[in-house]
Amino acid sequence: EAEVAQSPRYKITEKSQAVAFWCDPISGHATLYWYRQILGQGPELLVQFQDESVVDDSQLPKDRFSAERLKGVDSTLKIQPAELGDSAMYLCASSFGSNEQFFGPGTRLTVL
Amino acid sequence: GENVEQHPSTLSVQEGDSAVIKCTYSDSASNYFPWYKQELGKRPQLIIDIRSNVGEKKDQRIAVTLNKTAKHFSLHITETQPEDSAVYFCAAGGGADGLTFGKGTHLIIQP
Repeated sequence: EAEVAQSPRYKITEKSQAVAFWCDPISGHATLYWYRQILGQGPELLVQFQDESVVDDSQLPKDRFSAERLKGVDSTLKIQPAELGDSAMYLCASSFGSNEQFFGPGTRLTVL
Repeated sequence: GENVEQHPSTLSVQEGDSAVIKCTYSDSASNYFPWYKQELGKRPQLIIDIRSNVGEKKDQRIAVTLNKTAKHFSLHITETQPEDSAVYFCAAGGGADGLTFGKGTHLIIQP
């Protein structure tokens, strides 16, 4: 069964450093989402792509976060510089049209 | 924007009993309401979803009800089993839009 892939699974970094996360959605899924999940809370949408275009990035802290999906397939989320409050699970999801969103295993970020 | 409230935050039930989790939403434009189950350290997995043109949907021991007028929807799990123990999240969205999640309910099944 096809799954959303993410890497790395775990990342430890020091504050002020740059980090990057990668996501490969299920083949054929045009819509890709990045969510952030703080421990004990529900996922919060950071950015949504339709193919290579950003559809919604209203909740993305643009002073330090950036996201791209250059060829409309895989995507990268970057944080520069990382802050202590960025420690969380970063989840990528993809969907085909208005159907179910499938989540990847996530990248757990710890900022020291 | 959308706001989703979820209750209770923790629910403990005896094995074999039923569990009910309730959510309310604020944006009348939302038309898609999924429920996700998340086990510790794992990804959220969809267990059931409902769209605004349907009032109730059932899949074996799991059912979801939607009241569009009151803007609330509920998850019902019958004949609970130990493997039902997890955190459950409700969410609301506009179909292909990003989802707004509730804060989650930690369901504990007591043997």
